[in-house]
Order: sequence, then structure tokens, then C-alpha cells
Amino acid sequence: SYELSQPPSVSVSPGQTATITCSGDKLGNKYVCWYQQRPGQSPLLVIYQDAKRPSGIPERFSGSNSGNTATLTINGTQAMDEADYYCQAWDTSTVFGGGTKLTVL
Amino acid sequence: QVQLQESGPGLVKPSETLSLTCTVSDGSIRNYYWSWIRQPPGKGLEWIGHIYYTGSTNYNPSLKSRVTMSIDTSKNQFSLKLTSVTAADTALYYCVRENKPYGVDVWGQGTTVTVSS
Repeated sequence: SYELSQPPSVSVSPGQTATITCSGDKLGNKYVCWYQQRPGQSPLLVIYQDAKRPSGIPERFSGSNSGNTATLTINGTQAMDEADYYCQAWDTSTVFGGGTKLTVL
Repeated sequence: QVQLQESGPGLVKPSETLSLTCTVSDGSIRNYYWSWIRQPPGKGLEWIGHIYYTGSTNYNPSLKSRVTMSIDTSKNQFSLKLTSVTAADTALYYCVRENKPYGVDVWGQGTTVTVSS
């Protein structure tokens, strides 16, 4: 079955750029979504179709997808962005990555 | 805005069947995929499967032998049954709207199910 791999953790200083990767075989041929999950909350869709932002998601969130890697980028990272982030794609079923804990310190 | 609410027992005995229902409010159940996603304590998200409003289903291969989903469009509800549960099935279970190819755009608040005797 299809698998998506994410780094377990990423750290970033406030105001800097955070980059979270998601890897999968020929992932660039699939649409990728990204979700933010703050502690105690349900996940929130922050990127869909590789690079589009749902209404209400700040412009500092952006995404890209090419080759075997999709990337979520957060420019000017804020303390409120500290959360778990999950990538997701569709193959013969719906697949989630293992998640990345973003620490803002 | 569409809202989802999970309901069902919070405690299930090992080897028994976990049954959950999700009620869709303030929106139609038609023309979307409706899914169940679970999250074991301290772990990541696991897609269990989805059902289209027509009744067509697709399940996670790792759970397929134990999962059944159904939908009742007249009640705006869809349901999950997971048989032969073990402690490994203890998790927070979310019902969601899977708006392919636009992502999972609506999430329930989640319901905790514990498998224990």
C-alpha cells in the first residue's frame, strides 16, 4: 500500500521560515493536502491541491509538490503555528503521513 | 456551515463490535464522501475508510476485513462498524467530510473509544 513519510519533528525560531516535507513514490503525480492539529483540537485543512489555501488560512502558509516530495512552508512562523502537521494524498485509498511536530522556539 | 457529530459507546469490550454514528447537520449528505479517521492516543491519523452518498465504499486495506460502513441519506447519517476489537483499536474516532480532491474540509469533534474489559 502507498506510504507517505514525514520527519517526526521540525523546529523553527519565531519569524523564520518553517519547512515540512512529505515523501512518497511519484507523489508529484498526486494531489497533496496538509492539515494542522493543535493540541486537543480536530485537524484543520490548511493546504489542498498541493498549493491552494482554504478561506481563512493565512497567506504565510504555502505548499508545493514535485517529484517524490511535497513541502509545506510557513513564512514568518508565529507561536500559534506550533502544532502537528499531517500530509495526505489519494492513491487507491486515502493516505496520511505520520505527522510532524512543529516547535516554535 | 456543515457540522458533524459522532455518537456511540465510549467503552467496548475486547472481541466485540465498535459501532459509531455520525450525524450531518446544516448541509446535505449528498454528493460527498464521508469518512472515518482515527487517532490512537499520542499517535497520528489513520484513515479507516469512506462511503459515498450512493453507498459505495472504500476501506483501509489494513482494516478492510473488520470494517463496514453504511449511510442513511434520509436521516443525514453515516455509520461505522469495526468487529473483533482489541486494545489497539482504542482511539479518538473522527467522522469527516472527504471533499475529493479538495481535502478533508469538515471534521467532527471526535469521540473517544476505549477497548477494555
